[in-house]
Amino acid sequence: DVKVTQSSRYLVKRTGEKVFLECVQDMDHENMFWYRQDPGLGLRLIYFSYDVKMKEKGDIPEGYSVSREKKERFSLILESASTNQTSMYLCASSLLGVSAFGNEQFFGPGTRLTVL
Amino acid sequence: RKEVEQDPGPFNVPEGATVAFNCTYSNSASQSFFWYRQDCRKEPKLLMSVYSSGNEDGRFTAQLNRASQYISLLIRDSKLSDSATYLCVVNPDMYSGGGADGLTFGKGTHLIIQP
Repeated sequence: DVKVTQSSRYLVKRTGEKVFLECVQDMDHENMFWYRQDPGLGLRLIYFSYDVKMKEKGDIPEGYSVSREKKERFSLILESASTNQTSMYLCASSLLGVSAFGNEQFFGPGTRLTVL
Repeated sequence: RKEVEQDPGPFNVPEGATVAFNCTYSNSASQSFFWYRQDCRKEPKLLMSVYSSGNEDGRFTAQLNRASQYISLLIRDSKLSDSATYLCVVNPDMYSGGGADGLTFGKGTHLIIQP
């Protein structure tokens, strides 16, 4: 079974702090994604990566950056956390390309981030 | 503009009943479709893929209507454990080349099965 893990389930940070969210997948998937999920807004794509050191902006990249130094690890960075970044953050991975036919995404358990 | 629309519900359904909900999509070039299930405070998990005219998996049937651009999910003999949020997910044209035009998630339909 594919396993996607995230470094923290719950995280509380203060405004202005730099925040690192880590995601690791163990199935040698090429593609990894970061989403945030908010009530009434659904899942929104922040960034994704289709290869090591490659990254693409999603729909809401502002205020975030990412790093993919190794195939299995994809990090989301909040350079200076703000209260409007309080959310559930979900990492996902998939074997096939973003637009490939039948590309199931496997999600991690999520990190619930609160910025005070 | 790509969109996936779902009725947010909640759908309150007695145990054992049949329930169906739809999802409409705006990109007519979309090639593949999925239903994901998300339990409260959990991550989404793939429930079913819908590739052509639809498919069935036990009590669950997913159907695709390309002409009207909607997919549906039918749950027969509903169980208490079916209570969850069901996310409709659409994959655009397979030749779109990636980029931010990746999977598009609906906001989900909340289903509550009542004893």
